[in-house]
Amino acid sequence: GAGVSQSPRYKVTKRGQDVALRCDPISGHVSLYWYRQALGQGPEFLTYFNYEAQQDKSGLPNDRFSAERPEGSISTLTIQRTEQRDSAMYRCASSSNRGTNEKLFFGSGTQLSVL
Amino acid sequence: AQSVTQLGSHVSVSEGALVLLRCNYSSSVPPYLFWYVQYPNQGLQLLLKYTSAATLVKGINGFEAEFKKSETSFHLTKPSAHMSDAAEYFCAVSVNTGKLIFGQGTTLQVKP
Repeated sequence: GAGVSQSPRYKVTKRGQDVALRCDPISGHVSLYWYRQALGQGPEFLTYFNYEAQQDKSGLPNDRFSAERPEGSISTLTIQRTEQRDSAMYRCASSSNRGTNEKLFFGSGTQLSVL
Repeated sequence: AQSVTQLGSHVSVSEGALVLLRCNYSSSVPPYLFWYVQYPNQGLQLLLKYTSAATLVKGINGFEAEFKKSETSFHLTKPSAHMSDAAEYFCAVSVNTGKLIFGQGTTLQVKP
């Protein structure tokens, strides 16, 4: 597709369940980023990849959160044993190269609600 | 460490009036600075970015921002607000990777 695609658009789950959020970046984009955005706040960095290599995971809150990008394209953010505090909008972004000033293209996000 | 502070979570202007959204940053090294806009149910879109080439940066939709090192500011302006400018605006900083640190956002309301 022409833009960054995220699925599902909405995810409602019960506390303790695992969830997997998918991001399909713009074709050919080298870098892929995951952010989390709480209501009324700016996006908070979670992790990012260059190709299939995870470059920085310093923003992942704890070891229940993990991400992968095995073939350097589609990425999955997995949250194990979800908790209510994990409820937020999860946003994915991609950029065409690894430059520090490159434009990020954001998807519309996955709204996660943990009951 | 880098950080961004956006002064004012909500700004309201009349259509045709000047728009001024404030952003101050903290960085121990020369930063890259960005403004992104978010419309309802959409992803963030880049308005403009500062990469040290010029202190006055022009972006899309008539917006511009001026980098002032002495004031550690990167305020966003537009001479005349349009109804379609109503959205949430985020200032962001990065240093040596594509990782962005965002401010908490400013919601712009444009009144007819």
